[in-house]
Amino acid sequence: EAGVVQSPRYKIIEKKQPVAFWCNPISGHNTLYWYLQNLGQGPELLIRYENEEAVDDSQLPKDRFSAERLKGVDSTLKIQPAELGDSAVYLCASRATSSTGELFFGEGSRLTVL
Amino acid sequence: TQLLEQSPQFLSIQEGENLTVYCNSSSVFSSLQWYRQEPGEGPVLLVTVVTGGEVKKLKKLTFQFGDARKDSSLHITAAQPGDTGLYLCAGPFTSGTYKYIFGTGTRLKVLA
Repeated sequence: EAGVVQSPRYKIIEKKQPVAFWCNPISGHNTLYWYLQNLGQGPELLIRYENEEAVDDSQLPKDRFSAERLKGVDSTLKIQPAELGDSAVYLCASRATSSTGELFFGEGSRLTVL
Repeated sequence: TQLLEQSPQFLSIQEGENLTVYCNSSSVFSSLQWYRQEPGEGPVLLVTVVTGGEVKKLKKLTFQFGDARKDSSLHITAAQPGDTGLYLCAGPFTSGTYKYIFGTGTRLKVLA
């Protein structure tokens, strides 16, 4: 079974440029998470989807960040415009509805804003 | 604001030593999870503890959930270089939901 797939793995952009990250969760997993992780620290939740509905997005800086999960499968996280402080790893995770709560993570997308 | 505080933040030990990592909160959690993350990869689940006072063993790893379900610990016996990584605790922000928040993390380095 394929795991959570994220792309790109690495992205370097100039500040004020836009950037987008893509996530393909494990097949059948209804819950999808986007986390932001700074080096050596724990992931911070940005947004959680149940199918195509965003149920937790209070931590998402909506002035510059947006996310969508069309058809309740793949998801895209966008930043526009990017700021220097956005440099981090963006992790996507998914969870099966019937599970005990285990989150399966992708390898992450590392963003560097210059 | 992180609701799950981990200590120590960083730990560097020699191969063969024992260690304990702590995860503390002022809030009650219905369950807590422990994950391990290696560089360039996403976190991977080690264990889930659900019952207050519960102790779970996974080979040389021992996990404990506090009686009041506000804290947890991870003990590693005779650590090896392969145990090096970032250890994270996590739990549901609100009981009954799957809004999982993560602890501040403990970076472990085991020297050969």
